[in-house]
Amino acid sequence: AQTVTQSQPEMSVQEAETVTLSCTYDTSESDYYLFWYKQPPSRQMILVIRQEAYKQQNATENRFSVNFQKAAKSFSLKISDSQLGDAAMYFCAYRSVQTSGSRLTFGEGTQLTVNP
Amino acid sequence: EAQVTQNPRYLITVTGKKLTVTCSQNMNHEYMSWYRQDPGLGLRQIYYSMNVEATDKGDVPEGYKVSRKEKRNFPLILESPSPNQTSLYFCASSPSSGRLRDNYGYTFGSGTRLTVV
Repeated sequence: AQTVTQSQPEMSVQEAETVTLSCTYDTSESDYYLFWYKQPPSRQMILVIRQEAYKQQNATENRFSVNFQKAAKSFSLKISDSQLGDAAMYFCAYRSVQTSGSRLTFGEGTQLTVNP
Repeated sequence: EAQVTQNPRYLITVTGKKLTVTCSQNMNHEYMSWYRQDPGLGLRQIYYSMNVEATDKGDVPEGYKVSRKEKRNFPLILESPSPNQTSLYFCASSPSSGRLRDNYGYTFGSGTRLTVV
């Protein structure tokens, strides 16, 4: 079974600065997806970014980028030019590509605080 | 608008009183799932369904039931709620094919905050 670990329960960053959230996972599969979800106080689960394991290039979405290290099974999220609206709980998640593997496995979450 | 509709948003109930949390999706997704979110534990899967009349247990199924009589609906049933089922619950749906056709894959409901006293 796959597992996802986020070792930072809480992080803080000054507005306009950069912060990196860590995520490691364990799997025996070679083809899978990795995701970062944002959960603001509204509770909505918002997809921030996704990475396909067969792609070596790191995914980027505006101020959000990932550092995907497949051999090390590491998937960190970098938020540049942090904004107050980035304050939220962030979850790392894994999904198999196999037809029967539609399940999302989540990490424990990292609560990000953005200080003005 | 493509969405997963989950109701109610908040629910306070007493121990032992049966309740149902409804979930409906309008995207013709085959796969539907229920998660519970607890501090320090992330989201854990309760039950999932690969299609109509095909349900199976996730990681924490004890105390819960589900049914999938129609493709769009996947209700979560607590026959005899207990205080340890106080949690935030999410329903989610997804296409079941292996290679995701879009950037989202999963669509989540807005969550149900359940308190059992």
